[in-house]
Amino acid sequence: QKEVEQDPGPLSVPEGAIVSLNCTYSNSAFQYFMWYRQYSRKGPELLMYTYSSGNKEDGRFTAQVDKSSKYISLFIRDSQPSDSATYLCAPEADNDYKLSFGAGTTVTVRA
Amino acid sequence: GAGVSQSPSNKVTEKGKDVELRCDPISGHTALYWYRQSLGQGLEFLIYFQGNSAPDKSGLPSDRFSAERTGGSVSTLTIQRTQQEDSAVYLCASSVLDRAYEQYFGPGTRLTVT
Repeated sequence: QKEVEQDPGPLSVPEGAIVSLNCTYSNSAFQYFMWYRQYSRKGPELLMYTYSSGNKEDGRFTAQVDKSSKYISLFIRDSQPSDSATYLCAPEADNDYKLSFGAGTTVTVRA
Repeated sequence: GAGVSQSPSNKVTEKGKDVELRCDPISGHTALYWYRQSLGQGLEFLIYFQGNSAPDKSGLPSDRFSAERTGGSVSTLTIQRTQQEDSAVYLCASSVLDRAYEQYFGPGTRLTVT
């Protein structure tokens, strides 16, 4: 079993829709929960991160972490064609440096 | 400022040849990471450098893979006697100390072994 499971999709939504992305994980030591966005043929870029359980909002993006169920979510509101990318969840244990990446979910937002 | 740069952007090599991939991290970033991304797969950790400490090589898939970091800056990942299963995108990232959650990635080197 992989440490981090992520549905690879692909996911195709119309512009303006809410996009919901999810990951599950097995390592209870994970404390930091990152979401990276990767455009085609580019390196990943950090979108946002959350420490421990809770919600974090940044513009149209909301990250949620439920450590009790080991479940990570990213929501994109009012999705735009420019949001079309692969989204990777990447949790990390405290005082560690290894990120455990999910396989990534490819999202296409149709204009 | 300049981001993480990697060269070459693409490399096609014949099976059995050696290849060298280069990474220039962001100036001031003491931590440097190498990952491998195969088609449809997440990023696979390869190796981690932090300052003058011994690198964590636990992710290197075989002894054909090695990496070094000179002067605490530029890093080179070397793959000897390349195999077709080595075909992947090799990504380098850097971060400041104790902020491994905020890694900055380069564009990657796409390696194809024929």
